[in-house]
Amino acid sequence: AQKITQTQPGMFVQEKEAVTLDCTYDTSDQSYGLFWYKQPSSGEMIFLIYQGSYDEQNATEGRYSLNFQKARKSANLVISASQLGDSAMYFCAMSPQGAQKLVFGQGTRLTINP
Amino acid sequence: DAGVIQSPRHEVTEMGQEVTLRCKPISGHNSLFWYRQTMMRGLELLIYFNNNVPIDDSGMPEDRFSAKMPNASFSTLKIQPSEPRDSAVYFCASSLRGLVVPNTEAFFGQGTRLTVV
Repeated sequence: AQKITQTQPGMFVQEKEAVTLDCTYDTSDQSYGLFWYKQPSSGEMIFLIYQGSYDEQNATEGRYSLNFQKARKSANLVISASQLGDSAMYFCAMSPQGAQKLVFGQGTRLTINP
Repeated sequence: DAGVIQSPRHEVTEMGQEVTLRCKPISGHNSLFWYRQTMMRGLELLIYFNNNVPIDDSGMPEDRFSAKMPNASFSTLKIQPSEPRDSAVYFCASSLRGLVVPNTEAFFGQGTRLTVV
């Protein structure tokens, strides 16, 4: 079975600093997808970034980048130049091979301080 | 596009009552998911459909829970009878799954906050 582990329940970062949110995963699949979602206090789930297991380049989307280390089974999210609006819960998720479903980690609550 | 639409946004009901949550996926999407979020268990997949057919319902906690997708633009999640431990936020999500792009992001609705008293 697939499992996602986010070891940081909470993080506090100063505004404008970069922040790395950790995510490790466990799977025996060869093909899979990795995702990050943001959940602000309003509750909606917002898709941020996607990395395919066969993608050789790390994914980037604006201020978000995914540090993908396949051998270590890690898919850390990097947010550059953090902003107050980045304060939210962040979830790492994986889509197993052959299945469209997402398996989520427990999340990391990120707080950006002014 | 209006995105995934869920109704109601909030539901308060008494234990033992039937509860029906509704979802309209994004037009053109062929996969639909129901998730439940609680503090204790996080985000759990309850069931997902592909082309209106249930593919994996292993996450449905009990027979009290049932889900249907009668057509490509509508799905329901029903709890009968409801219990206090069913209190949670229920999310519906949809995505486009194809042979070329097997792993695509799911777009979530705003969620339904269910409280069973």
